[in-house]
Amino acid sequence: DVKVTQSSRYLVKRTGEKVFLECVQDMDHENMFWYRQDPGLGLRLIYFSYDVKMKEKGDIPEGYSVSREKKERFSLILESASTNQTSMYLCASTAGQGGQPQHFGDGTRLSIL
Amino acid sequence: AQKVTQAQTEISVVEKEDVTLDCVYETRDTTYYLFWYKQPPSGELVFLIRRNSFDEQNEISGRYSWNFQKSTSSFNFTITASQVVDSAVYFCALSDPTYSGAGSYQLTFGKGTKLSVIP
Repeated sequence: DVKVTQSSRYLVKRTGEKVFLECVQDMDHENMFWYRQDPGLGLRLIYFSYDVKMKEKGDIPEGYSVSREKKERFSLILESASTNQTSMYLCASTAGQGGQPQHFGDGTRLSIL
Repeated sequence: AQKVTQAQTEISVVEKEDVTLDCVYETRDTTYYLFWYKQPPSGELVFLIRRNSFDEQNEISGRYSWNFQKSTSSFNFTITASQVVDSAVYFCALSDPTYSGAGSYQLTFGKGTKLSVIP
């Protein structure tokens, strides 16, 4: 079974802090994704990566950056956290072939105070 | 552009009733994949099924069944004899792997349908 592990289930940070959300997958997947989920808005793609050190912006990249130094790890960075970044963050990975399902982590509920 | 519409925002049913969750999609491509995911209250998204655009055969897995109709661009999900454990948010998603470029593995999600099964 694919295992996608997010470092924290719950996280509370303060406005202006730099926040790191970590995601690790154990299936040697090429593609990794970061989403945020908000009530009434569904899942929105922030960034994705299709290879080590490669990244592409998703639909809502503003205020975020990512890092993929190793194939198994994909980090989401909030450069200067703001209250409107309070959300549920979900990481996913998928194999390189098109049409494969994405496998998700348990999610991180991030609160910015 | 791709789009997935789940018109039902919330549904409540009494245990043992059957329930159908609707999904309508838009894509200009002939090769694509459709997915259903379940998100229980604990938060993780669980993959349920994948369907490719060339396979219109309906699928049944226990109490779950899926009806794919290309003519109406729909991929509906039916739960038979619902149970309290079915309470969750269900997402329909679309993938178009023929899209050129690095975005070819993205999923376009609907906004989800929250299903509440009342004992």
